[in-house]
Amino acid sequence: GENVGLHLPTLSVQEGDNSIINCAYSNSASDYFIWYKQESGKGPQFIIDIRSNMDKRQGQRVTVLLNKTVKHLSLQIAATQPGDSAVYFCAENNAGNMLTFGGGTRLMVKP
Amino acid sequence: SAVISQKPSRDICQRGTSLTIQCQVDSQVTMMFWYRQQPGQSLTLIATANQGSEATYESGFVIDKFPISRPNLTFSTLTVSNMSPEDSSIYLCSVVEYSGYTFGSGTRLTVV
Repeated sequence: GENVGLHLPTLSVQEGDNSIINCAYSNSASDYFIWYKQESGKGPQFIIDIRSNMDKRQGQRVTVLLNKTVKHLSLQIAATQPGDSAVYFCAENNAGNMLTFGGGTRLMVKP
Repeated sequence: SAVISQKPSRDICQRGTSLTIQCQVDSQVTMMFWYRQQPGQSLTLIATANQGSEATYESGFVIDKFPISRPNLTFSTLTVSNMSPEDSSIYLCSVVEYSGYTFGSGTRLTVV
C-alpha cells in the first residue's frame, strides 16, 4: 500500500453488511459537504455531496446524512462490497471554494 | 469532469534538494489547489494557485518553501524546496469546476 489510512481509525465490516462512517465538521458556516473515497495509490474520488439546505441525500448504495445542529455528517454504504475497502474522507466547503478535510476513516470489508 | 495529470507520480529525493511537481488539466479551470497528505493522515490545503498572480498560502505554508507557478488556466507547478524527511508526503493538485472538485492521483515523495 501507499500508507494511506495507516494511522486512521478503522471500521471493519462483513461483506454484505451496511457500513456507517461518521464525520464531525468544524465550521457551522459550511454550506457544502462532500464524501471522498481514496484507494491506495490514487487521489480522492468523489462519492456523494450534500448542501446545507438538505439533511439527507441518496445515491447508488450510498446515503449521506447531515445534522447541522451537532455538526455531524455520516456516510452509509449499503451491502458493502470488497471493492468498497478504502479510506473515506469528509470535506466541508466554507469559503472561497476551498475544502477542509476531516480526519478520515479506513473501511475494511471482510469477505 | 476535468482530467488531471500529475508528474512525477513518485520520487525519492535527497535531503536539501528541490522537486517540482507538475499538474496538467485537460480543460481550462479557474481554480487550482495544492494539497499535502502526510503518511496516514488527511489532506491539508497548501495553497490556491492563482493564474497571473502569486499563490495564496494557507497558515503554516510559505512561498519560499513551496513556490507555485500558474502560467495559464490548464497548468500549475508546485516546488518542494530544500527538502527534509519531514516533507515526505503525497502532494495532490485539485481543481474545482461547475461539476465539482477533482483531484489528481498525487505525487508520492520520499525524502532520504
